[in-house]
Amino acid sequence: GAGVSQSPSNKVTEKGKDVELRCDPISGHTALYWYRQSLGQGLEFLIYFQGNSAPDKSGLPSDRFSAERTGGSVSTLTIQRTQQEDSAVYLCASSVAAGSYNEQFFGPGTRLTVL
Amino acid sequence: SQKIEQNSEALNIQEGKTATLTCNYTNYSPAYLQWYRQDPGRGPVFLLLIRENEKEKRKERLKVTFDTTLKQSLFHITASQPADSATYLCALTSNNAGNNRKLIWGLGTSLAVNP
Repeated sequence: GAGVSQSPSNKVTEKGKDVELRCDPISGHTALYWYRQSLGQGLEFLIYFQGNSAPDKSGLPSDRFSAERTGGSVSTLTIQRTQQEDSAVYLCASSVAAGSYNEQFFGPGTRLTVL
Repeated sequence: SQKIEQNSEALNIQEGKTATLTCNYTNYSPAYLQWYRQDPGRGPVFLLLIRENEKEKRKERLKVTFDTTLKQSLFHITASQPADSATYLCALTSNNAGNNRKLIWGLGTSLAVNP
C-alpha cells in the first residue's frame, strides 16, 4: 500500500519568502507528526496532530511556523518569511494513533534550502 | 537536563560480525524505547520497540536490550551484511503523563559493514 508521501521533495527559496510543505499520511492513521532534521542534528519535533484534538504545537520554533491538517488527512506546514536557519529536511510521519507505543511511518522528507 | 546519547563515531565492522550500538539516556524514565534505521536521503524506518518491563526483544537478526538501571539500550545486528550499513536512531518517550506521545530522538550512529 501507499506510504507517507511529501511534496515537494526539494524546495529552494529566497530569504523572506513563504513556503508550504505538504504531507499525505497513510490512510486511516489518526496521528501525524512534523519533524525537522538539520545536518548533523537529531530529529527535532515540531508539531503533532491526533484526530480531532487540538494539535501539540510545543515544538514550533517561532510564530513564523504553522501547520494545519484538513479533514484529518493531509497536512500542510507553512513557514512564513523564511530565514537561512530554516534550511533543513522536513519530515512528516504518521501512526495509527498518537502514543509512544506506536511505530511512526515516515515520508521521504522535503529538503528546504533558503538562500 | 534530559539527554539521549548515541555513539557519535561511526562504527565500522566486517561482514558477518555482530554490530552493537548503544543508546544511553539521563533524567528520563522512558516507558518505551524504539530503534529506527535511516538511509541517506530517506526518512527513518521503524525496526523494534521495547517496553520498560522487557529486558530483551528479538526480530530476525536484530536484538534490543533495555536496562533501566543502567539507563541504556543496546542494539545488536548479528551476521551483519553490507546492506545493514545505515544510520541507526534510538527514540524514547517519557512516561510522564501528558508528555508520552512524543518521541525524543538520539542523533544516531552510523554503521558501515565492510564486505
